[in-house]
Amino acid sequence: AQSVTQLDSQVPVFEEAPVELRCNYSSSVSVYLFWYVQYPNQGLQLLLKYLSGSTLVKGINGFEAEFNKSQTSFHLRKPSVHISDTAEYFCAVNLQGAQKLVFGQGTRLTINP
Amino acid sequence: NAGVMQNPRHLVRRRGQEARLRCSPMKGHSHVYWYRQLPEEGLKFMVYLQKENIIDESGMPKERFSAEFPKEGPSILRIQQVVRGDSAAYFCASSATGISYGYTFGSGTRLTVV
Repeated sequence: AQSVTQLDSQVPVFEEAPVELRCNYSSSVSVYLFWYVQYPNQGLQLLLKYLSGSTLVKGINGFEAEFNKSQTSFHLRKPSVHISDTAEYFCAVNLQGAQKLVFGQGTRLTINP
Repeated sequence: NAGVMQNPRHLVRRRGQEARLRCSPMKGHSHVYWYRQLPEEGLKFMVYLQKENIIDESGMPKERFSAEFPKEGPSILRIQQVVRGDSAAYFCASSATGISYGYTFGSGTRLTVV
């Protein structure tokens, strides 16, 4: 069975600072990987996904993530955050060919002015 | 092109009542998924449906919960005899052909059981 671990439940950073949100997964087979963002009282919005190919994936709002197969990680990064990036971020995996996502516990990103 | 529409946005039920949550997928999407988000937790898969068929209900509690996606109309998640522990946000997602294209999530229904 797949599992996802988001190592930090909360990450506070200052505006315009870089940020990295960590995600590790466990699976014995190939997976697809996703990052979603949830703004307060809203649904989830897809930030980016890794299906195959280049291990560096670029998403919306200036975010990117790198797939590292040997370390089973898919960390999310942004070089300079903005107040509007304050949200909950979820990493998710999907067994290739399966229909359901397995989510991590989420990381709350707080941007301080 | 409307997104995934869920209603109501907020639902309050007394213990023992029934809760009905509705989800209209995006136009052209025939796959519907329901997830539950308990407070301070990530989303947990509940059920996957296609029109008139339940494909995977491995995440559904054994009792009181049911889901349907009729030929006409929205998908319905029904919770009978609600208890306090059912209080959560319930999200619906839809896709056109399968997970590799990524889900589109609705804004959720926040159920509060009092």
